[in-house]
Amino acid sequence: QVQLVESGGGVVQPGRSLRLSCAASGFTFSNYVMHWVRQAPGKGLEWVAVMWFEGTNKDYADSVKGRFTISRDNSENTVFLQMNSLRAEDTAVYYCARESVSRAYFYGLDVWGQGTTVTVSS
Amino acid sequence: EIVLTQSPATLSLSPGERATLSCRTSQSVSSFLGWYQQKPGQVPRLLIFDASTRVTGIPARFSGSGSGTDFTLTISSLEPEDFAVYYCQQRSNWQYTFGQGTKLEIK
Repeated sequence: QVQLVESGGGVVQPGRSLRLSCAASGFTFSNYVMHWVRQAPGKGLEWVAVMWFEGTNKDYADSVKGRFTISRDNSENTVFLQMNSLRAEDTAVYYCARESVSRAYFYGLDVWGQGTTVTVSS
Repeated sequence: EIVLTQSPATLSLSPGERATLSCRTSQSVSSFLGWYQQKPGQVPRLLIFDASTRVTGIPARFSGSGSGTDFTLTISSLEPEDFAVYYCQQRSNWQYTFGQGTKLEIK
């Protein structure tokens, strides 16, 4: 079945780095744009980053720009989020999600993983 | 960055009542807006895409409307399982943002 499974979360000190992975299965990964979305404890959803099919285009929320890098390996059906210079405010559950992209329509993020928890604390 | 403002922050209603949730964007996003439902401890679920198209399998009591800067999610007759937090999300120029959410609670 269609599935996204995140991994790589954990507890990390401020200023350190962490790399999240999201493994996709059950669909043609290279046909979808992939996102990372996070949710701090007790807070709402925050969009983090997006990457297009072949990795030629990517974009980030202002809150993570210059610190986080999204990448993907279509041969491994995996999207990554490299998080550097982590701050306490990056503490959140991180979800990956897919989007079927069209210039004419917004199909939304229709499949989400279960999330991986990142805690930034000394 | 386009800011999404959802109102009200909390909506208290009883089962069987009609719920109307609003999402206003700081700039026009055409119809590039989606609605999500999130229950405690669960992953967000897409309900509506492109402002007004219901995802397959979502009950017909959920409907979306609007374009430009003003959007509405309507639940025609609330079921007990509908009490949750609802988020809107926009895409404009391949940048994305979420609203802060509306909590729909049982009165």
